Amino acid sequence: EAQLVESGGGLVQPGGSLRLSCAASGFTFSYYAMNWVRQAPGKGLEWVSVISGGVGTTYYADSVKGRFSISRDNSKNTLYLQMDSLRAEDTAKYYCVKEDGSSWPDTFDLWGQGTMVTVSS
Amino acid sequence: DIQMTQSPSSLSAAVGDRVTITCRASQGISNYVAWFQQKPGKAPKSLIYAASSLQSGVPSRFSGSGSGTEFTLTITSLQPEDFATYYCQQYNSYPFTFGPGTKVDIK
Repeated sequence: EAQLVESGGGLVQPGGSLRLSCAASGFTFSYYAMNWVRQAPGKGLEWVSVISGGVGTTYYADSVKGRFSISRDNSKNTLYLQMDSLRAEDTAKYYCVKEDGSSWPDTFDLWGQGTMVTVSS
Repeated sequence: DIQMTQSPSSLSAAVGDRVTITCRASQGISNYVAWFQQKPGKAPKSLIYAASSLQSGVPSRFSGSGSGTEFTLTITSLQPEDFATYYCQQYNSYPFTFGPGTKVDIK
């Protein structure tokens, strides 16, 4: 069964850094584009970033561009999100999401359970 | 960026009711729309892709339609497990964008 499991969330001070990980299993990880989507407490969904399968082309939301970096290690079936210069408004649950992969971009077909990031002094 | 709007923002309905949620895109996006269901404390669940195709395992009481800029999600005969928040999303181009959500609660 395909599965995504996020880790690495926690409490960090403003200006600090955190690296999230997403362990994938049950599918050929390297084939598929992978995304991060976040949800602030009580708010809606916000797309954060994507990395393609293959050569690893990346895109970012304007709200995180220059501060966050998405990467993947296909040998470890793991997706990462390096978050630097964190702000209070980055406080959210971060979801790892797989794209379907028949084309690119493509629809989401698998979500992780999320990891909570809290930015506060 | 493509903006997505949804209406209504919330609705109250009874078990057995037919429910329709509308999503509009700020520009034409063909049929590159998906719908997601989210229950409190849970991750979103993918329901529909390509505006009208059901994800595997999704009950047939869920259906989607539309193309271009206007899309709808319909739930025929609402069930107790369908009370949740529903989001539309465009995946025509990055940045992907979501609608603000429609909360469906019990009348």
